[in-house]
Amino acid sequence: EPEVTQTPSHQVTQMGQEVILRCVPISNHLYFYWYRQILGQKVEFLVSFYNNEISEKSEIFDDQFSVERPDGSNFTLKIRSTKLEDSAMYFCASELGRNNEQFFGPGTRLTVL
Amino acid sequence: KNEVEQSPQNLTAQEGEFITINCSYSVGISALHWLQQHPGGGIVSLFMLSSGKKKHGRLIATINIQEKHSSLHITASHPRDSAVYICALSGGGADGLTFGKGTHLIIQP
Repeated sequence: EPEVTQTPSHQVTQMGQEVILRCVPISNHLYFYWYRQILGQKVEFLVSFYNNEISEKSEIFDDQFSVERPDGSNFTLKIRSTKLEDSAMYFCASELGRNNEQFFGPGTRLTVL
Repeated sequence: KNEVEQSPQNLTAQEGEFITINCSYSVGISALHWLQQHPGGGIVSLFMLSSGKKKHGRLIATINIQEKHSSLHITASHPRDSAVYICALSGGGADGLTFGKGTHLIIQP
């Protein structure tokens, strides 16, 4: 069964460093999402991506964040200068079409020291 | 902005019990999703529904669009059902899902 994959599963970084989180969505899906979940809190929407551009972003998704689909299979989330408060689980999800079932990756746990 | 309220926040039950988790929301939606999150963190989609009722194995999800309310039921609960169950909404003017805080379910043998 097709699945969304994410790498790495755990990333530890120093404050101020850049990190890139990677996702491979399901191959025929058209909509892609990044969500984050701070420990003990609910999952929050960061950004949606469709047709090679950002479709919508939340107020969390500031200038420190960017997304890219560099090669037609990977979907990346970059945080330019990490802060302590960026420590969270980051989930990628993909969707065949708008308002369909979303399929989630296993998540990347980001720890900023 | 859509508000999602889940109840209860925590639920501990004995194996075999019938479980009900509730979700209410404030604004019209395209669909409501029930998700399961295991202790390792991964999120699995259980149901997506926009009307009526869906059943998968021992899980049943219902939605009342007029009352803006959905329920997730688990029949003959089992310790492996222990997880966080999350209600999430799509539509209502937003691209991504809007999540509830989740219900932490523990089924004791």
